[in-house]
Amino acid sequence: KAGVTQTPRYLIKTRGQQVTLSCSPISGHRSVSWYQQTPGQGLQFLFEYFSETQRNKGNFPGRFSGRQFSNSRSEMNVSTLELGDSALYLCASSLKPEQPQHFGDGTRLSIL
Amino acid sequence: GQNIDQPTEMTATEGAIVQINCTYQTSGFNGLFWYQQHAGEAPTFLSYNVLDGLEEKGRFSSFLSRSKGYSYLLLKELQMKDSASYLCASRGGATNKLIFGTGTLLAVQP
Repeated sequence: KAGVTQTPRYLIKTRGQQVTLSCSPISGHRSVSWYQQTPGQGLQFLFEYFSETQRNKGNFPGRFSGRQFSNSRSEMNVSTLELGDSALYLCASSLKPEQPQHFGDGTRLSIL
Repeated sequence: GQNIDQPTEMTATEGAIVQINCTYQTSGFNGLFWYQQHAGEAPTFLSYNVLDGLEEKGRFSSFLSRSKGYSYLLLKELQMKDSASYLCASRGGATNKLIFGTGTLLAVQP
């Protein structure tokens, strides 16, 4: 069974640009969550989606947005990029929200 | 609200046993999860407790006490490859979020 797939793996952008990250969950998983990981802050919760509905949102500015499609694939968008947005962005999927999550390898975003 | 505390770093010897503690304050508690994360890699799921007691999975065991807001991860017969960060996460709160602690960096020495 294929795991969670995130694309791209690495991304370099400049301040002010926008970026879209993609996540394909494990087949059959309908819940997808996104996290930002930085050395100082650890894993910070961004969003949680289930059946195309956003169930939860973390404490991030409105520049961070996301969505989930009918095939459970999810995208995350960050607009007006700032230097502080440099991080590893992780996607995780589970059968249902309460079930254990399985993580993808992440997208490492660097802002210059 | 939700809050999770776990030690920042621990050191243990190969072949020994180590216990990594986690305390949480989570209203509407709905589960405690442990993940392992090697440097430069994604977290991998280790264990899940929703009821009080001990869950055993090979060399790894996890314990939960809901009344005390306390969990621990027990690693037996430590191997060098167990050197990693161990993340405790609780689900709960008004919106049933999954919130992670900052992780415990375990160094296994020969």
